Amino acid sequence: EPEVTQTPSHQVTQMGQEVILRCVPISNHLYFYWYRQILGQKVEFLVSFYNNEISEKSEIFDDQFSVERPDGSNFTLKIRSTKLEDSAMYFCASRPRPFGAGELFFGEGSRLTVL
Amino acid sequence: QQQVKQSPQSLIVQKGGISIINCAYENTAFDYFPWYQQFPGKGPALLIAIRPDVSEKKEGRFTISFNKSAKQFSLHIMDSQPGDSATYFCAATLDSGTYKYIFGTGTRLKVLA
Repeated sequence: EPEVTQTPSHQVTQMGQEVILRCVPISNHLYFYWYRQILGQKVEFLVSFYNNEISEKSEIFDDQFSVERPDGSNFTLKIRSTKLEDSAMYFCASRPRPFGAGELFFGEGSRLTVL
Repeated sequence: QQQVKQSPQSLIVQKGGISIINCAYENTAFDYFPWYQQFPGKGPALLIAIRPDVSEKKEGRFTISFNKSAKQFSLHIMDSQPGDSATYFCAATLDSGTYKYIFGTGTRLKVLA
């Protein structure tokens, strides 16, 4: 069964360092998302990406964050200068069609720990 | 207007019992309401979803009840099993724009053997 894959599964970094989280969405999917989940809290929307551009971003997604689809398969989230409060589980998600609400397929997440 | 409120925060049920989790939303424009199940260390996975044109949807032991006038929906797990122990998130989304999900705060369910 096709799945969204994410790497790394866990990354520990020092405050102020740059981090790149990688995702390979399901191959025929067209919409891509990043969500984050601070330990024990709800899953929060960060950004959506369609047709090679950001379609919506939340207020959490400030100038320290960026997303990119560098090739036909990868979808990355970059945090330029990490802060302690960026420690969370980051989930990549994708969906197959551009129109009509439906299932989001989530990866297993990348746990980011900022020291 | 974009919030989805979920209760209870945690729930303990005996094996074979019924687990009920409730959600309420504010934005009447929401028109797709999924429930996601998350096991520790895993990503959320779709369990069941409903659109507001029906009041109930059943898949196996899982049922969503939807009350459009009250802006509430709930998940019922019949004959709860220890393997159902997980965190459950309700969500809502618009059927337009970016179709982003607004998640509830989650319910940690523990089913005792």
